Amino acid sequence: DAKTTQPTSMDCAEGRAANLPCNHSTISGNEYVYWYRQIHSQGPQYIIHGLKNNETNEMASLIITEDRKSSTLILPHATLRDTAVYYCIVPSGPGNRDDKIIFGKGTRLHILP
Amino acid sequence: GAVVSQHPSWVICKSGTSVKIECRSLDFQATTMFWYRQFPKQSLMLMATSNEGSKATYEQGVEKDKFLINHASLTLSTLTVTSAHPEDSSFYICSARVLAQQYFGPGTRLTVT
Repeated sequence: DAKTTQPTSMDCAEGRAANLPCNHSTISGNEYVYWYRQIHSQGPQYIIHGLKNNETNEMASLIITEDRKSSTLILPHATLRDTAVYYCIVPSGPGNRDDKIIFGKGTRLHILP
Repeated sequence: GAVVSQHPSWVICKSGTSVKIECRSLDFQATTMFWYRQFPKQSLMLMATSNEGSKATYEQGVEKDKFLINHASLTLSTLTVTSAHPEDSSFYICSARVLAQQYFGPGTRLTVT
């Protein structure tokens, strides 16, 4: 299963774009990258996922490098409510999209007023 | 989006008693549900994978006789912590998978006194 590496913590000013990097250099060609976040004392919240093309939804954008060895989650206009731990995950197991999600330590994002 | 609920949201029990936590997918059917545990300041740890109508698959180091999982229907999975001890105090989170997405419940905080 592909491992991911994320910075332990990041700060971002309110209203600015928050760019959260993730390295997944051992990812296989058919493995998806998922992003979740966990706000304090709540269950994780799905943000976005992608395979090779850049993806955008109402919450965020996901930029995946051409070699797929890294990706960046972008929160375009961060608010205080975006303060959370963000997890970049490549699900483990033979089916990837159908397999279990193992959480690493994630990036603790602090949005500063 | 898909909603997963957990009941209770918090529970306090005495050492030696058993506690049951319910996880429901409210607006979809989930053939697979997952149970996680999270200690303070740590990441989520996968405990077991539960498939409807079959026995749960436990992760290494998780005692199957202590953490009983029942997945009786496509919308309900239960986790029973048997003979609870203070070290079982934790935040328990379930998730349900549908169409290659995992949706997480809000979590149940268990305190064993």
